[in-house]
Amino acid sequence: TQLLEQSPQFLSIQEGENLTVYCNSSSVFSSLQWYRQEPGEGPVLLVTVVTGGEVKKLKRLTFQFGDARKDSSLHITAAQPGDTGLYLCAGGSYGQNFVFGPGTRLSVLP
Amino acid sequence: DAGVIQSPRHEVTEMGQEVTLRCKPISGHDYLFWYRQTMMRGLELLIYFNNNVPIDDSGMPEDRFSAKMPNASFSTLKIQPSEPRDSAVYFCASSGFPNEKLFFGSGTQLSVL
Repeated sequence: TQLLEQSPQFLSIQEGENLTVYCNSSSVFSSLQWYRQEPGEGPVLLVTVVTGGEVKKLKRLTFQFGDARKDSSLHITAAQPGDTGLYLCAGGSYGQNFVFGPGTRLSVLP
Repeated sequence: DAGVIQSPRHEVTEMGQEVTLRCKPISGHDYLFWYRQTMMRGLELLIYFNNNVPIDDSGMPEDRFSAKMPNASFSTLKIQPSEPRDSAVYFCASSGFPNEKLFFGSGTQLSVL
């Protein structure tokens, strides 16, 4: 069974600070997705990474897929209250459905 | 498109009652997924369909849970009889291709008293 771990579990920061959250596994994934889930809503896809070492940027968010395709990180620059939510990573492999990590719950205080 | 539509948004019921959750996927999506989310276990895949056919139901916790997809635009998840430990948020999601972007509904918050 492929398992994903995410750290930290909870993170509370002030507006304007930078942060990095991590997604780790002992398994190799063919692709990895990051979702953000706001209270009372379903997760919404932020990005998909498929190549080892790949870096993608989405405004203030930078996503990196590890060289070995077992881990990923999400870095947020100058966090804003609108970034508050649950960040989920999901790993996919050929012929298998995505497996979700437990998530990092981020709170950005104004 | 209106996105994935789930109903009801909230359901409160008593232990032993039957509960039916409903989902309308995005038109044209061939894959439909049912997930359950709790604080303890996170987001768990219960079952998924491809072209209305159940492909993998290994995540369904027990025989009290059943899911159907009678046509491309409608799916149900039924719990009979319900138990307090079934309390969770149940999400339906759809996608156009396997291992591609999942579009989630807003979920059904189920409370079994």
